Amino acid sequence: DIQMTQSPSSLSASVGDRVTITCQASQDISNYLNWYQQKPGKAPKLLIYDASNLETGVPSRFSGSGSGTDFTFTISSLQPEDIATYYCQQYDNLPRTFGQGTKVEIK
Amino acid sequence: QVQLQESGPGLVKPSETLSLTCTVSGGSISSYYWSWIRQPAGKGLEWIGRIYTSGSTNYNPSLKSRVTMSVDTSKNQFSLKLSSVTAADTAVYYCARSDTARGGAWFDPWGQGTLVTVSS
Repeated sequence: DIQMTQSPSSLSASVGDRVTITCQASQDISNYLNWYQQKPGKAPKLLIYDASNLETGVPSRFSGSGSGTDFTFTISSLQPEDIATYYCQQYDNLPRTFGQGTKVEIK
Repeated sequence: QVQLQESGPGLVKPSETLSLTCTVSGGSISSYYWSWIRQPAGKGLEWIGRIYTSGSTNYNPSLKSRVTMSVDTSKNQFSLKLSSVTAADTAVYYCARSDTARGGAWFDPWGQGTLVTVSS
């Protein structure tokens, strides 16, 4: 299985701050990576696919980059509604695997 | 807009079989991958496996010996059976759709999830 390692596991930032989460794959997965947002008690929601493509309707303050084994997810200006846990997910191979999640809180 | 809804018992006894159904509304179940994903309380996401509308399946090797998935296109439903459950199988279970164009690359949409507790 491809292991996905996210860091940090949690972070606290102020409204308006730039927030960055990293995801590292245990092997080269090209750009076969997605990012999801999960709010408490809700199902995950797809935000970014193919490492850097914004899903329709997702605010432009969210972005993603990277390829190979190292990927970055960024919120350019943190908003109160962005409080959630964020997960990366690879689709280079089966089984599909997720990172362990990064919990984003407001300072 | 396609919507998914999980249903099934919320409590299962140890060693018994967990059975869940996902009903797809607002669109056809045909020509997509349909996955089950679970999440223990306070933990991350684990992909259990998927079924294509032809009935072909892919299971996570970690669960393969205990998992069976099926699809009923006439009812726009697909199902999960997980046998010989233990407390470690207690989780919120989600169903989700994947497009076949990219080999089932991402999951969208998801059902709201259903909590299954394994306890005597």
